[in-house]
Amino acid sequence: DTAVSQTPKYLVTQMGNDKSIKCEQNLGHDTMYWYKQDSKKFLKIMFSYNNKELIINETVPNRFSPKSPDKAHLNLHINSLELGDSAVYFCASSHRERSGNTIYFGEGSWLTVV
Amino acid sequence: AQSVSQHNHHVILSEAASLELGCNYSYGGTVNLFWYVQYPGQHLQLLLKYFSGDPLVKGIKGFEAEFIKSKFSFNLRKPSVQWSDTAEYFCAVTTSGGSYIPTFGRGTSLIVHP
Repeated sequence: DTAVSQTPKYLVTQMGNDKSIKCEQNLGHDTMYWYKQDSKKFLKIMFSYNNKELIINETVPNRFSPKSPDKAHLNLHINSLELGDSAVYFCASSHRERSGNTIYFGEGSWLTVV
Repeated sequence: AQSVSQHNHHVILSEAASLELGCNYSYGGTVNLFWYVQYPGQHLQLLLKYFSGDPLVKGIKGFEAEFIKSKFSFNLRKPSVQWSDTAEYFCAVTTSGGSYIPTFGRGTSLIVHP
């Protein structure tokens, strides 16, 4: 019973390609997130989304876009991939009004751009 | 906006040594505090959390943390570490009234030598 699942786990692709990472949560949470973890392990929030609002970290290039078909899914689409996009991308979810907004993470997607 | 500081970036210990990892946050209102652990090659898992009540919180695997409001701190402790505790440790905060998006510290890398 994976609570937050994301696919693919590993992705190797060439510069300039467009790719998507899918994320699904079965926790009944109302908010989902995408975080980027760089090689120094720093966690950077990219997007936060619930069915009312999308919050975008203004430092995220507009080549990155979240797409949410429903409350349980928040996919990450990346256009024109660059070498610097290589990182681990974590999807996460929480319920804003419960448990202090405790966040639960997916297992990560290791993206390598060559 | 809230922020989180983890002062120890790299900690190296021998097995059975005691551990204390520092975490300080900046926010003047009510906070919820978390410690997450990331084992090598894995995702972030919740170790423990504080919302209210007893400021000494016990988590999984023998970890505990103490919330000291006057010092804006939430340090993580373990009396006797094991080799299997080798991991990256992240402190995080959410706020009531401020941004609900969890803010993470930069992480502390712990290496435990057998």
